[in-house]
Formats: sequence, structure tokens, C-alpha cells
Amino acid sequence: EVQLVESGGGLVQPGGSLRLSCAATGFTFSNYWMTWVRQAPGKGLEWVANIKEDVTEMRYVDSVKGRFTISRDNAKNSLYLQMNSLRAEDTAVYYCARDLVGSGTVFDYWGQGTLVTVSS
Amino acid sequence: EIVLTQSPATLSLSPGERATLSCRASQSVSSYLAWYQQKPGQAPRLLIYDASNRATGIPARFNGSGSGTDFTLTISSLEPEDFAIYYCQQRYNWPPLTFGGGTKVEIK
Repeated sequence: EVQLVESGGGLVQPGGSLRLSCAATGFTFSNYWMTWVRQAPGKGLEWVANIKEDVTEMRYVDSVKGRFTISRDNAKNSLYLQMNSLRAEDTAVYYCARDLVGSGTVFDYWGQGTLVTVSS
Repeated sequence: EIVLTQSPATLSLSPGERATLSCRASQSVSSYLAWYQQKPGQAPRLLIYDASNRATGIPARFNGSGSGTDFTLTISSLEPEDFAIYYCQQRYNWPPLTFGGGTKVEIK
């Protein structure tokens, strides 16, 4: 059974940093693009970043470029999101998701999400 | 950036009725459009990808259609578990991958 379990969320002050993790089980992690999608409280979905299975490609939404870094450790079956210079508008539930179609663009399995709150 | 506009914002229907949800793109996305369902407190669930392909395990009452800029998700006969928010998402021109604002299907 495919499972994705996020961790690392919490309360952080504006300008602070946080590192999210996503532990993957039930599939060959190293064969899949992986993605982070976020959802602000009461709002819709926003794609944040994705990373190719061999780490040769990473893409970001403009609003997080230069502040967030997506990475992965295929030996540990884990996906990460390093978030620096956090802003109030980064407050959201962050989901990791697996790609279906081999291009990082359709998400067939999702974790349960981890809440990041940026507030003083 | 491709903007996806979903309508209506809210759809009030009874179980057993047919639901028709619309997603319009600001420019052509060919057939590279997906639909997701999200229930309160849960992660999204993939329903349809590439306009009309049902994801694994999705019931046949969910159907996607359209191409170019206009897409439709049809639920042929609403079951109680179908009342949720539905999002469309394009993958034709990215980054960024973009989602629509959602349509809430609520019980009338």
C-alpha cells in the first residue's frame, strides 16, 4: 500500500525556517517524481515544487523561488522541503504527493498533510 | 501562467441527481487537465487525468470531458460520499502547475 507521511510542520516566526519531511512507503520511491502542494486555511490548492526521480530537475512556483528548496534522499525514501525566510502567506497545510505520469504533473497519492503556521 | 476558472462556485443537489462541473482555462491546455476531489480534513484524491481518464479505483459515475479551454466533470448520480469540493488542475504549460478555485458540491 502506498503511504506518504509528512512531518515537520509547526509554528514559526516570520523570517524563520522550517524543514518538512515526507516518508514514502509501499512503492519504489526512486522511480517517481515527487511534489509539494500547499493549501492555505479555507483556500484552494497551490502547487509549490516538484523534483525528478534522479534529482536532475527541480521546479518551483515563483512565490517560493530563492526561499524554498526541494530535495530527496532515495536511499531513505524521503522527500524534503527546506523553507527559509518564511512569510505569513506561507501559512498552509503542506502535502507531499506522488506523480502518476512520469513528468511530475499529476498526483495520484497524497499524504495527510502537515500544518505550517507563520506568525509572531 | 494559465488561470483555471471553475463554475459554479457551489452546486446544491440531492443524492441521485446529476452534477455537472465546469473548468475553463485562460488558454488552451490541450487535454492535459485533471480533476481532484477533496473532503473536509482530508487530502485531495485524483479522479480524472488527461481530461477523461479515470484514475485507479474511481467509480464509473465520474466522467471527464473536454479539450482546449473548456472541460466538464460529470457525476452521473450523486452518492452521499460525493459531496465535497472538486478542483481542476492543468499540466500543459508549467511551471507553474495551476489549480482552479474549486466547486463545492453540497447537499440540497
